[in-house]
Amino acid sequence: EAGVAQSPRYKIIEKRQSVAFWCNPISGHATLYWYQQILGQGPKLLIQFQNNGVVDDSQLPKDRFSAERLKGVDSTLKIQPAKLEDSAVYLCASSSLGPPETQYFGPGTRLLVL
Amino acid sequence: GDSVTQMEGPVTLSEEAFLTINCTYTATGYPSLFWYVQYPGEGLQLLLKATKADDKGSNKGFEATYRKETTSFHLEKGSVQVSDSAVYFCALKLSHQGAQKLVFGQGTRLTINP
Repeated sequence: EAGVAQSPRYKIIEKRQSVAFWCNPISGHATLYWYQQILGQGPKLLIQFQNNGVVDDSQLPKDRFSAERLKGVDSTLKIQPAKLEDSAVYLCASSSLGPPETQYFGPGTRLLVL
Repeated sequence: GDSVTQMEGPVTLSEEAFLTINCTYTATGYPSLFWYVQYPGEGLQLLLKATKADDKGSNKGFEATYRKETTSFHLEKGSVQVSDSAVYFCALKLSHQGAQKLVFGQGTRLTINP
């Protein structure tokens, strides 16, 4: 079974530029999550989708971050404009609806904002 | 709020040593508890989990017991190997109105020397 796919793996941009990340979850997983992992810290949930609806986006900085999950499968996370403090690894995870609802993580996209 | 506190790292041990990584949590409800591992250059992988008090999770020689009375979920392994070198994250999961939020500790970097 294929795992969670993410692209790109690495991205370097200058502050005030825009960037987008893509995630393809495990086939059949209805729930998709985006996490931000700053160096030396644990991942922090940014947004959770169930199918194509948002379940929790309470920690998403909505003035600059946006995310969508069209057709309930792939998802994109966008930052516009980027700030230096957005440098982090952005992790995508997915899980099935029923128990045990274990979250499976992708390899992440490492973003460096200069 | 809900939080996870892990033993400060980094931790350096010799091969075949006994390992303990402490983890305590604060939660308003009855969380499920997890240990995730991140090997160098790879994404987060679920190592083990426990869903209720006194449950013991185990995998690859690692064990952790859900202790409600001490709000702890310490990770142990009797004899570590060089291949266990990685960053270990303790996490809790709470369910609320359809949201399944994972809250992570800051991670503990483990290095095993031959």
